[in-house]
Amino acid sequence: NAGVMQNPRHLVRRRGQEARLRCSPMKGHSHVYWYRQLPEEGLKFMVYLQKENIIDESGMPKERFSAEFPKEGPSILRIQQVVRGDSAAYFCASSPRQGAMNEKLFFGSGTQLSVL
Amino acid sequence: QQQVKQSPQSLIVQKGGISIINCAYENTAFDYFPWYQQFPGKGPALLIAIRPDVSEKKEGRFTISFNKSAKQFSLHIMDSQPGDSATYFCAATSGSRLTFGEGTQLTVNP
Repeated sequence: NAGVMQNPRHLVRRRGQEARLRCSPMKGHSHVYWYRQLPEEGLKFMVYLQKENIIDESGMPKERFSAEFPKEGPSILRIQQVVRGDSAAYFCASSPRQGAMNEKLFFGSGTQLSVL
Repeated sequence: QQQVKQSPQSLIVQKGGISIINCAYENTAFDYFPWYQQFPGKGPALLIAIRPDVSEKKEGRFTISFNKSAKQFSLHIMDSQPGDSATYFCAATSGSRLTFGEGTQLTVNP
């Protein structure tokens, strides 16, 4: 049973370009969470999605950032017109059911985004 | 209100020693307190967790102590090993959101 798969592992973009980060949850998991980790800092919640629904996006910047989790395929975190401050590690986590914080939250290995 | 304060930022312990990491919170709505372990280049992995109705939980060499009245909880790693060297994050949940502390970089010297 493969774990949470994130790709790419490393992504380099120039300022103004778009970044697309992909996350495939564990098999049987229908809830996905995205977190951002800046250097020397903890993980900050960004968005919580269920298949075809955004449940909580209160941690995501209002501009340039969007997320989706379609019925088929991976969850996508999209950052438009990237700036240097977007450079960070972006982690995806999945759980088998809504608000399942009482169960294990499984994290992927992250995507390291570097903006030149 | 949503913050979880963690200390120390870094910790160096000799092999066989006890590692202690502390966390404090303000939001009384938090109802689940997990600890995560993160190795370089990897995502965090759940290590051990506790609910506020329990004052202590032990799993192997890892123990969580929880003080509800003080709104503090801590992780103790007994007989620390070089393989325990990693970054440790405390966290707290309320609803669907998991709030992390800032992390503690633990180094266990051989």
